[in-house]
Amino acid sequence: DGGITQSPKYLFRKEGQNVTLSCEQNLNHDAMYWYRQDPGQGLRLIYYSQIVNDFQKGDIAEGYSVSREKKESFPLTVTSAQKNPTAFYLCASSIGSGGSNEKLFFGSGTQLSVL
Amino acid sequence: GNSVTQMEGPVTLSEEAFLTINCTYTATGYPSLFWYVQYPGEGLQLLLKATKADDKGSNKGFEATYRKETTSFHLEKGSVQVSDSAVYFCAHVASGGSYIPTFGRGTSLIVHP
Repeated sequence: DGGITQSPKYLFRKEGQNVTLSCEQNLNHDAMYWYRQDPGQGLRLIYYSQIVNDFQKGDIAEGYSVSREKKESFPLTVTSAQKNPTAFYLCASSIGSGGSNEKLFFGSGTQLSVL
Repeated sequence: GNSVTQMEGPVTLSEEAFLTINCTYTATGYPSLFWYVQYPGEGLQLLLKATKADDKGSNKGFEATYRKETTSFHLEKGSVQVSDSAVYFCAHVASGGSYIPTFGRGTSLIVHP
């Protein structure tokens, strides 16, 4: 079955540590996104990538980094500079043809907590 | 700028009650409008969408009509079930530009038997 796989489902970070969240898709989508979800705040865009080897900052990129070396993979690193990393992280993808009517496909999320 | 405003939750209903979740937006041009649903511990999935004025999106008994004159896309269902308990997100994608979706804050729906 085609879809988006996020791993791990739960992740714990020690202070000062960098952690990487995995996101893989087999939908052959060009565009991929990372969102952060906090209770009562909806979804906030961290980074997005519309093509391999290119990515753009979203609204809350500080303290995060990404790479897009392969079409199917878009890992997110939460660095030690992110002082409040506890949140639910969602990865999404879309066809990326440039139309406004494209829907997003979401993974099942990673809950990151600080020890 | 582009934004989406949803009614605050939680919305608490008894089974078979009528549901309305309000959504209004601001956007340049003619955006496409979406409702996504998130069940506990999961990612979002598309519920319905509308791409031009007066279009009605529908799925699983839910409906929403694209009202350009009031810049609204309210979600409705005639008779909710316990299994509809979830968080509902309104979103738009503005025409032109980067086509990045803008989401509302989400509205939690709790349906009691």
